[in-house]
Formats: sequence, structure tokens, C-alpha cells
Amino acid sequence: DAGVIQSPRHEVTEMGQEVTLRCKPISGHNSLFWYRQTMMRGLELLIYFNNNVPIDDSGMPEDRFSAKMPNASFSTLKIQPSEPRDSAVYFCASSPMGSNQPQHFGDGTRLSIL
Amino acid sequence: LAKTTQPISMDSYEGQEVNITCSHNNIATNDYITWYQQFPSQGPRFIIQGYKTKVTNEVASLFIPADRKSSTLSLPRVSLSDTAVYYCLVGDTGATNKLIFGTGTLLAVQP
Repeated sequence: DAGVIQSPRHEVTEMGQEVTLRCKPISGHNSLFWYRQTMMRGLELLIYFNNNVPIDDSGMPEDRFSAKMPNASFSTLKIQPSEPRDSAVYFCASSPMGSNQPQHFGDGTRLSIL
Repeated sequence: LAKTTQPISMDSYEGQEVNITCSHNNIATNDYITWYQQFPSQGPRFIIQGYKTKVTNEVASLFIPADRKSSTLSLPRVSLSDTAVYYCLVGDTGATNKLIFGTGTLLAVQP
């Protein structure tokens, strides 16, 4: 039974470049979450979707960040243009339904912006 | 925005019971309290979830007082493989449906 799959696992790019992170949730899960983890700020919820619809994006840092979920099996988090302060580990998680159900996390994308 | 705070670190020895507390003063009425375990280079992994009183599963217990402003994760008889960072996750009444992770507790289990 495959878990949440994120790609790439690691990304190193130069400031100003566009970065796209990808996530495949567990089949049958209705909710999808994007988190960012840093030493300074810990784990922060960026945005979450229910049934492919964004419910709460108040955690998205600024307009440079955008997230989409075109179908139930795929989501992207895009940063354009990227900045060094965006360097972090980005996690995707999915759950059966709603925001109070246990979430299943992927292994994250470690992003470094030079 | 409400804070969800935990001790930064705890030390224990194999075979001991470990209790990790999370403070969440502004928990929302309908929100659950969930605990996760995280190993290096991995995503958090679900341990246990509860709403009030006590919940027990095969790996841990969760104690929640009546006011729900805190919760305690109890790990019975820890082993070296329980060395990890433990996070509580609760809703935040400051923003509808927003989920707030605690600051995390690094548990170090020694032989």
C-alpha cells in the first residue's frame, strides 16, 4: 500500500528560479495538506484542500507561493520567484476527510535556494 | 495566534515510562488533539488522537483534562528506537480550521 509520494526528494536551485514540488496523496483520501518545516519556525501549515478545493490558504507566506490540486491524485506547490528564505523541508500529507483526521505524511522535499 | 508549546527535550532510559506534555490554551471546541513522531529525514508519523479524557492504543496513551488546555502523551517502557521528535497538533481558534503544530520535544532514550 503506497503512502504519500513526494517529488523531488531534494532540490537545489538559484534564487529567482521557479520551483515546483509535487505530491501524490494516498488513494481514497479526500484531504491534502502542504506544510513547511524549518528550524526557526517548526512545522507550519501552508494550505489544505478538501475534495480538490482549497479550504484554508492563510498560511501561504506570500503571492510567490501557489498551490493547485487539479485532481484527486495530484497536487503541486509552486514558488515563483524563489528566494533563499524559502529554503526548508516541504511536506505533503493526506487524510481520509476533514482537518481532524489523522494525517499521513510523505517524506518531504528538501529545498535549498542559493 | 495561539501557541502550542512543549518541552524542548527530554531524556530517558530504556524500559521507563515517558510522559510528554503539550500546552494549548486556545484549543477550538470541535478540534481533536493528535500526536506525531518524527525521525530524521522522514515525515511525521501518526501516534494517537483524542478529544477528551483518556485514549489508549497499542503504542501509547493520551491523557486530556476536562478543560482540554493541555494533553499528555504517555509512552510505556520506551526503547532506543523511540528516540525521535514528538509533536502535538491541535486546531487554533484564532483562525477557522487552522492547524497548529507544537514546538516539538526531542526524546533521547539511552541504554
